[in-house]
Amino acid sequence: AQTVTQSQPEMSVQEAETVTLSCTYDTSESDYYLFWYKQPPSRQMILVIRQEAYKQQNATENRFSVNFQKAAKSFSLKISDSQLGDAAMYFCAYRDQGAQKLVFGQGTRLTINP
Amino acid sequence: GAVVSQHPSWVICKSGTSVKIECRSLDFQATTMFWYRQFPKQSLMLMATSNEGSKATYEQGVEKDKFLINHASLTLSTLTVTSAHPEDSSFYICSARDLTPPPEQYFGPGTRLTVT
Repeated sequence: AQTVTQSQPEMSVQEAETVTLSCTYDTSESDYYLFWYKQPPSRQMILVIRQEAYKQQNATENRFSVNFQKAAKSFSLKISDSQLGDAAMYFCAYRDQGAQKLVFGQGTRLTINP
Repeated sequence: GAVVSQHPSWVICKSGTSVKIECRSLDFQATTMFWYRQFPKQSLMLMATSNEGSKATYEQGVEKDKFLINHASLTLSTLTVTSAHPEDSSFYICSARDLTPPPEQYFGPGTRLTVT
């Protein structure tokens, strides 16, 4: 079974600085999707970024970018110019291309220091 | 963007009673909806996957007779917690999968259930 591991339960960063959240996963599949979701205090899950495994180019969404290392099964999230509104739980998630279910990591709580 | 609503957002019920939570996809059709449970400071735990017009598929360890799921239309799925007990108190989140590729899951805002 696929597993997703987030080894950083908590991270903090100064406002306007850059922070990287780590995620590793285990799968024997070659085609899959990886996601980062944000869960702010409201607890509404928000999709931050998506990466298709067949794409070598790392996905970017404004201040958010990923470092996708397929061979290493690593999928880190970089947040540039951190803002107070970025404070939230961040979950890394995996889904087989042909599957419906998401597999979530344990989450990383990100604190932004003003 | 795709919006998923949940109702109610917060419910308190007495032990032994049943409570129903609705999940609706407001601006898209969802053949598949998912129900998650989240304990404080923990990740989301998938409870079941429901497909429109068919029986839900429950994850291992989830009591299907306790957590009844109905997915009667392409925009509505319901989770009924039967004979609720205090240990059922939790945050329940639904998500709906869009049909258009790439198939995304859109999450509802969640329902906080407190059983007294």
